Amino acid sequence: DAMVIQNPRYQVTQFGKPVTLSCSQTLNHNVMYWYQQKSSQAPKLLFHYYDKDFNNEADTPDNFQSRRPNTSFCFLDIRSPGLGDAAMYLCATSRDKRGNADTQYFGPGTRLTVL
Amino acid sequence: AQKITQTQPGMFVQEKEAVTLDCTYDTSDPSYGLFWYKQPSSGEMIFLIYQGSYDQQNATEGRYSLNFQKARKSANLVISASQLGDSAMYFCAMRDLDTGGFKTIFGAGTRLFVKA
Repeated sequence: DAMVIQNPRYQVTQFGKPVTLSCSQTLNHNVMYWYQQKSSQAPKLLFHYYDKDFNNEADTPDNFQSRRPNTSFCFLDIRSPGLGDAAMYLCATSRDKRGNADTQYFGPGTRLTVL
Repeated sequence: AQKITQTQPGMFVQEKEAVTLDCTYDTSDPSYGLFWYKQPSSGEMIFLIYQGSYDQQNATEGRYSLNFQKARKSANLVISASQLGDSAMYFCAMRDLDTGGFKTIFGAGTRLFVKA
C-alpha cells in the first residue's frame, strides 16, 4: 500500500564519503521533491523534478545532486557529506506543480547520520 | 513574500478533548492553498486537510477541520476528540504563485502532546 517509498530508512556515512538516498513512488505523479529536515524544524526544499525537468533551489549547496532516471524513481546524492548534513531527508510527490491545490505526499524519510 | 507562522511550539490536550492549532499566513496572491500535515515521531509527513482560498466552506476531514478566517489570514486546525495517537508534530503549509512558479512553504510546526 505504500505510495512513496524511501530506502534506506536509516543511513550512516562517514564525513566526506558519498552517499545516495533513494525514493520511489507508485502514484505515477509528475513531480518529485527532496526536502531536508533538521530536528524540530520545518522541511526545507532542496530541489524538485517536474517530469525530467530539474529545478534547483537557489540556496541548495552544490554538494547535493539529484537524478530521476524514470517516473517512479528519484535519487539524492550527497557528494561529500559534512556533519551539518545530518538530517532527515524527505521525498515527496505531487501530481502537478501548477496550481495552488497540488497536494504533496511524503515518504517515511531517511534519517542520515554523518560520523 | 510568502510567510507562514505557527506561534505555538508545543500544546497539551487531554484525551477526548478538542484542540486548536494556530496558523497565520501572509501572501499577496489572491489565489492560494492551505494545508496541514501531521508528522509522528517516525518521521513521515501525513497530509491531513486542504483549504482553497476561494472555498466558501471550511474544510473538514473526519476529526479534522480547518477554521479558515480569510480576513484575518488564519487557518487554524481543529482536532476534535483527541486520541493518544494524535501526539505528533503538526505543520501548516501554504502554496501560492511565487516568482518562478508555484511554491509550498511550511511553518515551524507545533508539537501536540495528548495526555491520557
